[in-house]
Amino acid sequence: GAGVSQSPSNKVTEKGKDVELRCDPISGHTALYWYRQRLGQGLEFLIYFQGNSAPDKSGLPSDRFSAERTGESVSTLTIQRTQQEDSAVYLCASTRDRGLGGYTFGSGTRLTVV
Amino acid sequence: SQQGEEDPQALSIQEGENATMNCSYKTSINNLQWYRQNSGRGLVHLILIRSNEREKHSGRLRVTLDTSKKSSSLLITASRAADTASYFCATDATGANSKLTFGKGITLSVRP
Repeated sequence: GAGVSQSPSNKVTEKGKDVELRCDPISGHTALYWYRQRLGQGLEFLIYFQGNSAPDKSGLPSDRFSAERTGESVSTLTIQRTQQEDSAVYLCASTRDRGLGGYTFGSGTRLTVV
Repeated sequence: SQQGEEDPQALSIQEGENATMNCSYKTSINNLQWYRQNSGRGLVHLILIRSNEREKHSGRLRVTLDTSKKSSSLLITASRAADTASYFCATDATGANSKLTFGKGITLSVRP
């Protein structure tokens, strides 16, 4: 596609439920990031995928968070047993070559845990 | 951990004036990038400067990089009301486990 697509755009969920967020990167983009942004804050790194290498999961805040990506395709971020502190905008970004160009961001998923 | 730190945190200027935003970082980098964010959603990539570059221009944007001081500045000339947004610097650090790390951002308000 022309850009990075994230779905859903908005998600309201009850505390304790699981949620799955989806990111469709630009075709051919080997590098993909997930970030979390709380209201009025900067971007908090969650996880990084680069091609078929093992992902860098060092930013995942707890074992309730997990993410998958098969090859250079869609990535999903799953949050189990959601808590109110998980409320934030979750942003996905991808690039073809991290050394040459900037990243293209999706519009994000605004997650609200009630 | 926060790699890039921008300053000021907030900047308010009159349309037509220049806006200068600064970013400092801590570790060695491959490149430094600046992004703009409107309305708290997706970020838009503005400009990337590599560690072996000192200055780069793109339209009304001018970015400088001083690796000895581990700092960068973003200058927006002849600002417009439409430039009102949050601006973030991001550093792509060197090393096998490096990642693109963002600062907390600068809120720029351009008064018409």
